[in-house]
Amino acid sequence: KAGVTQTPRYLIKTRGQQVTLSCSPISGHRSVSWYQQTPGQGLQFLFEYFSETQRNKGNFPGRFSGRQFSNSRSEMNVSTLELGDSALYLCASRRTITADTQYFGPGTRLTVL
Amino acid sequence: DAKTTQPPSMDCAEGRAANLPCNHSTISGNEYVYWYRQIHSQGPQYIIHGLKNNETNEMASLIITEDRKSSTLILPHATLRDTAVYYCIVRVDGYQGAQKLVFGQGTRLTINP
Repeated sequence: KAGVTQTPRYLIKTRGQQVTLSCSPISGHRSVSWYQQTPGQGLQFLFEYFSETQRNKGNFPGRFSGRQFSNSRSEMNVSTLELGDSALYLCASRRTITADTQYFGPGTRLTVL
Repeated sequence: DAKTTQPPSMDCAEGRAANLPCNHSTISGNEYVYWYRQIHSQGPQYIIHGLKNNETNEMASLIITEDRKSSTLILPHATLRDTAVYYCIVRVDGYQGAQKLVFGQGTRLTINP
């Protein structure tokens, strides 16, 4: 069974632009979570989606948003990019809203210049 | 928001047991402890999790103290491929099954030949 896939794997943007990252969960998994990893702050939770609804949200500004589609694929969007948004963005999926284990994808490395 | 404390780095000889400690003195009664590892900035890989009892699977054992204020991850026979950053995590549950993983800063484990 294929794992969590994220596209693109690498991305370079400039300040002020916006970016959309995509995540396809493991087949049959319906919950998708997003995390940001930076050298300074480590791994931080962004949000979780299940059944196309945001179920949980971390402490990030409104420039960070997401959505989930009926096929469970998810996208996250960052508007008005700042230098500090440079990070590895990780997506994780789990089978249901009650499942214990989240499985992570390889991440998208975003660089903001 | 940090709920776990880990030593920044540890070394272990190949073939020996690696014991990774974690303090989570502020953990709540219904919060699970998880361990993931991350190799070369790939996505974190799930290892094991537990609530109160000790747990064992094919990868590792998890020992949780009776007061739940600390835990130890044990890799019984470390190999060079176990070199990675190991994260001790508290899972915080939200409304209707929503979850977020609160990561610590991790321990960089180096397995030496």
